[in-house]
Amino acid sequence: QKEVEQDPGPLSVPEGAIVSLNCTYSNSAFQYFMWYRQYSRKGPELLMYTYSSGNKEDGRFTAQVDKSSKYISLFIRDSQPSDSATYLCAMSPISSGSARQLTFGSGTQLTVLP
Amino acid sequence: EAQVTQNPRYLITVTGKKLTVTCSQNMNHEYMSWYRQDPGLGLRQIYYSMNVEVTDKGDVPEGYKVSRKEKRNFPLILESPSPNQTSLYFCASSFGGRRNEKLFFGSGTQLSVL
Repeated sequence: QKEVEQDPGPLSVPEGAIVSLNCTYSNSAFQYFMWYRQYSRKGPELLMYTYSSGNKEDGRFTAQVDKSSKYISLFIRDSQPSDSATYLCAMSPISSGSARQLTFGSGTQLTVLP
Repeated sequence: EAQVTQNPRYLITVTGKKLTVTCSQNMNHEYMSWYRQDPGLGLRQIYYSMNVEVTDKGDVPEGYKVSRKEKRNFPLILESPSPNQTSLYFCASSFGGRRNEKLFFGSGTQLSVL
């Protein structure tokens, strides 16, 4: 079993829809959570970073962490065609202060149709 | 412009022919790393470097070598490539390699080993 599971999609939604992207994990040591966005033929770029359980909002994006269920989500409100990309979750254990111990999900491919 | 530059973008080679993928960053970052991205497997770390002359293995180091002689450069060397090394490769860097720092990724190198 992989430490981080992410539905690969593909996911297609109409413009303006609310999108929910999810990851589950098995390692209870994971305490730091990130979402990266990867456009086609580009490298990933950091979208959001969270530590505690609960919600963190940044514009149209909301990251949610439920440590009791080992489940994290990224919500995109009022989705735009420019949001079409692959979204990768990533997480790190509490024992590690280093980026070298990031574990990535396999990514969910999202298409927002105009 | 702050960036991580990888070359080449695309590379087709044959089994056993040594190759080098270059990576350079212009942000004076101490931490650099190499990942490979395969469908369904996500990003997996090959090697990382915390600073000049300091390198260490990631999760999938077999068949790869790296060196860090200068702060800005972190080349990935495949001494004897094999078909199972066909993949999309990313170089990444961050300021100090701490878990909460943004990782900057290059645009990727698509490698095919025939």
